[in-house]
Amino acid sequence: EAQVTQNPRYLITVTGKKLTVTCSQNMNHEYMSWYRQDPGLGLRQIYYSMNVEVTDKGDVPEGYKVSRKEKRNFPLILESPSPNQTSLYFCASSSQGTGTYQETQYFGPGTRLLVL
Amino acid sequence: AQKVTQAQTEISVVEKEDVTLDCVYETRDTTYYLFWYKQPPSGELVFLIRRNSFDEQNEISGRYSWNFQKSTSSFNFTITASQVVDSAVYFCALTHTGGTSYGKLTFGQGTILTVHP
Repeated sequence: EAQVTQNPRYLITVTGKKLTVTCSQNMNHEYMSWYRQDPGLGLRQIYYSMNVEVTDKGDVPEGYKVSRKEKRNFPLILESPSPNQTSLYFCASSSQGTGTYQETQYFGPGTRLLVL
Repeated sequence: AQKVTQAQTEISVVEKEDVTLDCVYETRDTTYYLFWYKQPPSGELVFLIRRNSFDEQNEISGRYSWNFQKSTSSFNFTITASQVVDSAVYFCALTHTGGTSYGKLTFGQGTILTVHP
């Protein structure tokens, strides 16, 4: 089954304790992205990657790191989490379009993070 | 800058009623893509439809239909004969097609649809 998976689905942690949220897709997609969803602020892009070893910042990258060492995986790293990073996080992936052509992004199930 | 506006924050209907969710967008791109996603109470984001800026044909899929009007920058979504299972938050989104922020989805704030039995 074609899918985007995220782990963990739920996480409670404390301020400053490094954590990684994993994202994996089995569709051989080039493009992957992370979003966070917050009440009143909606969905905002954190980072994206157009292919292996190619990553770039989205709208709200502060406090996050990413890496893309393999095509299927795009982990989100919070080096020193703070309470304002409490959110619902989504990973998404799509085939890479050419020129101005855009493929549809499919989302993982989400990770609910609470930072105390 | 791109912007998507879903003016209806919440809509409440009774089962079997038709309901239209409005979406208005702003973009300077000449080529762009519009999407609708559904977020049920379980929280995942489910893709419903994609439209590119060159295709203004309306689309129907079962009880769902979409009306794309470039002249008014609108991409409205209608559910015919609504059902309780349609209760969800619905997001309209617009994507960048090049340059910086390639592929970034700009989402509207979402419309909470509640269908009562």
